[in-house]
Amino acid sequence: QKEVEQDPGPLSVPEGAIVSLNCTYSNSAFQYFMWYRQYSRKGPELLMYTYSSGNKEDGRFTAQVDKSSKYISLFIRDSQPSDSATYLCAMSDPGFQKLVFGTGTRLLVSP
Amino acid sequence: GAVVSQHPSWVICKSGTSVKIECRSLDFQATTMFWYRQFPKQSLMLMATSNEGSKATYEQGVEKDKFLINHASLTLSTLTVTSAHPEDSSFYICSADLSSGVTGIEAFFGQGTRLTVV
Repeated sequence: QKEVEQDPGPLSVPEGAIVSLNCTYSNSAFQYFMWYRQYSRKGPELLMYTYSSGNKEDGRFTAQVDKSSKYISLFIRDSQPSDSATYLCAMSDPGFQKLVFGTGTRLLVSP
Repeated sequence: GAVVSQHPSWVICKSGTSVKIECRSLDFQATTMFWYRQFPKQSLMLMATSNEGSKATYEQGVEKDKFLINHASLTLSTLTVTSAHPEDSSFYICSADLSSGVTGIEAFFGQGTRLTVV
């Protein structure tokens, strides 16, 4: 079993839709949860990070962490064609000093 | 945000030759940098952790003699793929953390290097 599981997609939605991206994990020691956006042939760009459980909102993006279920989500409201990219979840714990990534979900937002 | 510059963005080399990839933090000092490898439709896999002024720490299964890492200054780390073979063809990405605290929460990535070995 992988430490972090993420559906690779692709996930296709029309412009304006609400997008839900998810990851599950197995290591209960993870405390920090990150979401990165990666355009084709580019390096990942950090979108948001959350510590422990709870929600965090930044503009059209909302990150949720449910540590009891070992489940994290990224919601994108009013999705735009420019949101089309691969979204990677990543996690770390304070003592591990490494990031563990999901495989990424490819999102396609059509005009 | 902070900028990490990676060079070259793509390179084609002949089998058996060596290729050097540079990773620079342009507006901050990075004690630690990380090198990843990404195959198509797969996740980023950590290859090694590069520490300024000391030897790199390699992940299990990564050949340290093949993937030479040098972190000579607080703003530059290099990855040299020695005696490259077609199976080394991949997308290599470096990252640097802005903070010296928890890894990842302020990690900035380079734009990646597409290596093709023919």
